[in-house]
Amino acid sequence: QSVLTQPPSVSGAPGQRVTISCTGSSSNIGAGYDVHWYQQLPGTAPKLLIYGNSNRPSGVPDRFSGSKSGTSASLAITGLQAEDEADYYCQSYDSSLVVFGGGTKLTVL
Amino acid sequence: QITLKESGPTLVKPTQTLTLTCTFSGFSLSTSGVGVGWIRQPPGKALEWLALIYWDDDKRYSPSLKSRLTITKDTSKNQVVLTMTNMDPVDTATYYCAHRPHILTGYPFDYWGQGTLVTVSS
Repeated sequence: QSVLTQPPSVSGAPGQRVTISCTGSSSNIGAGYDVHWYQQLPGTAPKLLIYGNSNRPSGVPDRFSGSKSGTSASLAITGLQAEDEADYYCQSYDSSLVVFGGGTKLTVL
Repeated sequence: QITLKESGPTLVKPTQTLTLTCTFSGFSLSTSGVGVGWIRQPPGKALEWLALIYWDDDKRYSPSLKSRLTITKDTSKNQVVLTMTNMDPVDTATYYCAHRPHILTGYPFDYWGQGTLVTVSS
């Protein structure tokens, strides 16, 4: 049981917009801790996608965006592409310790 | 260019102690704020944070595994070592090490190793 709750799966057609939620509590996201997002393509290590709630590292397309409000955060992907099919994980902190979400599998229809 | 690579046994027996080494390049663990963490992922399951060590030897552990974990660093060798005692088949997972550029929460795990699969079986 992960501290941060994500939907197990989401799907969308190419070109569409999808969002992935990450729900926490007053001891983690709601306490003001930053949220980061990682993309994990099949058979590979996780890759940093969004850091500090809404910042994209160099090289990450601007189709990916992040936001945070209250005890939740969201990852939005616009202009969905086949290559976006992957697992996505949110990460934050709880009492200064690292916590991950349970992961969301994105299927591109 | 930051790189990290995990090494250790691919197969351990139940009750044994696992020792994993993360060898890195492109940064120094003596630089203020820098940390290296361990994260694992059982087959088909989610990421689970295990431990973190910082430049000043500050160590953090997952509360659920704290009694079984020890993390240490060898700055001169650019290595971080994780030991996990009393291994069980449920500990079968891919173990990753990752770089954290600063202790503040606005900083993520920005570089990851390729991971090493550890199977626990008799």
